[in-house]
Amino acid sequence: DAGVIQSPRHEVTEMGQEVTLRCKPISGHNSLFWYRQTMMRGLELLIYFNNNVPIDDSGMPEDRFSAKMPNASFSTLKIQPSEPRDSAVYFCASSPVGGRVEKLFFGSGTQLSVL
Amino acid sequence: AQTVTQSQPEMSVQEAETVTLSCTYDTSESNYYLFWYKQPPSRQMILVIRQEAYKQQNATENRFSVNFQKAAKSFSLKISDSQLGDTAMYFCAFTPPGNTPLVFGKGTRLSVIA
Repeated sequence: DAGVIQSPRHEVTEMGQEVTLRCKPISGHNSLFWYRQTMMRGLELLIYFNNNVPIDDSGMPEDRFSAKMPNASFSTLKIQPSEPRDSAVYFCASSPVGGRVEKLFFGSGTQLSVL
Repeated sequence: AQTVTQSQPEMSVQEAETVTLSCTYDTSESNYYLFWYKQPPSRQMILVIRQEAYKQQNATENRFSVNFQKAAKSFSLKISDSQLGDTAMYFCAFTPPGNTPLVFGKGTRLSVIA
């Protein structure tokens, strides 16, 4: 089991550029979560999907942020245009079919720096 | 709204000593789950321990144990015989049952000193 795979591990970009973060959940998991971690705010839920359908995106900070899950094995989080305040670690996590929530598996995160 | 509060941004402990990290939460639910996650410098999120609210017995995992006080909505983590490898950020998290997202506290940075 490869675990939740995120790419890239690090991303450095300039303000105004588009950034796309990628996530491959564990095979068979039906829920996927995107979290953002900053020093000031800790871990915040941005959006989550059940069976590829977005359930709650109330944590998405602005219209500049969008997330998709075109199939059960892939999700993207896009920021367009990026701003320096978007600099953070972005985590993807997944949980199994009908899973109890303690089976939440995290990826290694993407460290985003917007200059 | 369901919130989790960790009032200690940073703590330190001498190797082999015991340390307790605090966590309080706010919910109107009666059945829920509480968690402690460890995040070492590698950035990986590691589940340390889990408590189900309907269980009165405090959960224990080797050197890690919790003090769960449901009426006070308190869920502290005790680390016994601290080791250098315990140096990490520790996050308290909460969720009602079912496939709903975890709500995290802001974390406590723990340093174990040799």
